Amino acid sequence: GQQLNQSPQSMFIQEGEDVSMNCTSSSIFNTWLWYKQDPGEGPVLLIALYKAGELTSNGRLTAQFGITRKDSFLNISASIPSDVGIYFCAGQLGNTDKLIFGTGTRLQVFP
Amino acid sequence: DGGITQSPKYLFRKEGQNVTLSCEQNLNHDAMYWYRQDPGQGLRLIYYSQIVNDFQKGDIAEGYSVSREKKESFPLTVTSAQKNPTAFYLCASSTPRGAGANVLTFGAGSRLTVL
Repeated sequence: GQQLNQSPQSMFIQEGEDVSMNCTSSSIFNTWLWYKQDPGEGPVLLIALYKAGELTSNGRLTAQFGITRKDSFLNISASIPSDVGIYFCAGQLGNTDKLIFGTGTRLQVFP
Repeated sequence: DGGITQSPKYLFRKEGQNVTLSCEQNLNHDAMYWYRQDPGQGLRLIYYSQIVNDFQKGDIAEGYSVSREKKESFPLTVTSAQKNPTAFYLCASSTPRGAGANVLTFGAGSRLTVL
């Protein structure tokens, strides 16, 4: 099965720093979703993007749907300890209902 | 509150045994999904069902079976044919395709360990 290329794999940052992660693919997607997973729990939706070029914010989180429809990024500003977790991107392929997931970015925030 | 309930949270199994993981949702969602999560990998689709009494194989269906007798329930059986069943299993549900994607709502997961 397909998977998205998500980077970086892991990040270790200090509290207060900004974070950026992205997902890329050779395929065109109609929708991009960003999820966060706390340890031992299921992923929770952070942001959904539906149009190429769309830029959407949710508090300290900002995500963009790439113009080429083949990529997306997620930024977290002024990180705090509760931002710790694994962040997944997911894209819906243009001609299917199927969601393809990235491999995840593991974020650690140090005080 | 509406949501998805998975049980058990932790399950230990001996080799050669079948086990069934429960997934129940009260969101009135039509579609339900099972994913497997292994360290360092994204979520891989095992099975999905878009309506009652119908389901399709995902990318890694071998060694697994499902049923969809009720809209609210989508149990997953991990059979003895699954060669490497130790993993974290996630159930999800979504509304039918419409404007935008099938945004998935996930349960809290079930961790299966084979001894």
